[in-house]
Amino acid sequence: DTAVSQTPKYLVTQMGNDKSIKCEQNLGHDTMYWYKQDSKKFLKIMFSYNNKELIINETVPNRFSPKSPDKAHLNLHINSLELGDSAVYFCASSQEFEERGAINEQFFGPGTRLTVL
Amino acid sequence: GEDVEQSLFLSVREGDSSVINCTYTDSSSTYLYWYKQEPGAGLQLLTYIFSNMDMKQDQRLTVLLNKKDKHLSLRIADTQTGDSAIYFCAVLYNFNKFYFGSGTKLNVKP
Repeated sequence: DTAVSQTPKYLVTQMGNDKSIKCEQNLGHDTMYWYKQDSKKFLKIMFSYNNKELIINETVPNRFSPKSPDKAHLNLHINSLELGDSAVYFCASSQEFEERGAINEQFFGPGTRLTVL
Repeated sequence: GEDVEQSLFLSVREGDSSVINCTYTDSSSTYLYWYKQEPGAGLQLLTYIFSNMDMKQDQRLTVLLNKKDKHLSLRIADTQTGDSAIYFCAVLYNFNKFYFGSGTKLNVKP
């Protein structure tokens, strides 16, 4: 069974369009994340959601908006796409344990390669 | 915010040891991780260490943590061509804030 899944795997679109990337996790985790990995493989966190509340937003343009219809889903909506948005976007999830000994491992999806022409 | 840095590339010969280094700036970390990303795939957890430990060994992997210098390293013994990948260190704060390094691309030559 796939733990964290993303759709689509590839997305090619024109500048100025609006697009969404979907993410689903079947692990029962409390927290979900979106990361952007650029062409140099640098990984940057964009958002995280915990119990439907945004808890991290790392200076991401407001053209990007995360939408969480329920605990198992965190979709990424992008308005007015720009060339610089071309990257691989990874969704991840983790369970927030505060007790000692918990690993708090993040589980990553396979990624969505976005190409803006 | 937190700054996590890694060297970008490392090239070794098959059978040698690889050492991948990572430095971070905030000493209040709770856990530190190493993730592996193979071509065309997402990141997978390789190993981790609690911030109150100095060393952790797991088969061919040895993680060393120097809290004073804020330095984390991953040693892979007897490196194989299948170990070629990008390795990311990550630091966790307050149980829900993850910061990733830029990744080190390990190239293993036969």
